[in-house]
Amino acid sequence: GAVVSQHPSWVICKSGTSVKIECRSLDFQATTMFWYRQFPKQSLMLMATSNEGSKATYEQGVEKDKFLINHASLTLSTLTVTSAHPEDSSFYICSAPRGDFGNEQFFGPGTRLTVL
Amino acid sequence: AQSVTQLGSHVSVSEGALVLLRCNYSSSVPPYLFWYVQYPNQGLQLLLKYTTGATLVKGINGFEAEFKKSETSFHLTKPSAHMSDAAEYFCAVSELGFQKLVFGTGTRLLVSP
Repeated sequence: GAVVSQHPSWVICKSGTSVKIECRSLDFQATTMFWYRQFPKQSLMLMATSNEGSKATYEQGVEKDKFLINHASLTLSTLTVTSAHPEDSSFYICSAPRGDFGNEQFFGPGTRLTVL
Repeated sequence: AQSVTQLGSHVSVSEGALVLLRCNYSSSVPPYLFWYVQYPNQGLQLLLKYTTGATLVKGINGFEAEFKKSETSFHLTKPSAHMSDAAEYFCAVSELGFQKLVFGTGTRLLVSP
């Protein structure tokens, strides 16, 4: 079946540093990918839609300068948390729709970010 | 705007008992409805989905859900709980096919021996 990977699976960084999270579709191409954020014991909140070859579309209230998204190829999207602060600590999950599965979304395993 | 309400943040059942996780949705157009399962520190796995057609949908691991338009509900059931079913379950709705999923707050299923 379709597989979406994320790297790293967890990361700890100091406040003020930037962290890059990768999302890859391993056996299909995705012109669109989605980035979600999940706080402990809460639901997933859509942050942005990553579009290959164009700018990402951010949901209301999400700082585009803080959460930089680059869809570099048809199989890779990256989320960079810039100048991270403890309140950015969260579980970040990406998903990608697969065209030959009727655009069903396949989710990555998530990345746990902890900012000290 | 679309929204999802999951009643009960926690549901506890005994192994072998019926599992019922409730989901009500709000949508201005015929929705796509989903149930996902999440194990600790992992991503989401699709259990089942309703798009069009038959309102009773069967998914993986013995789960099923019924789309009831009149009640705007999409409750998840399983006749007999197994210890391995213990996880977080999310109901989701989309008005754009599979795009832009809106998730409920989740229900943690606890299964006791």
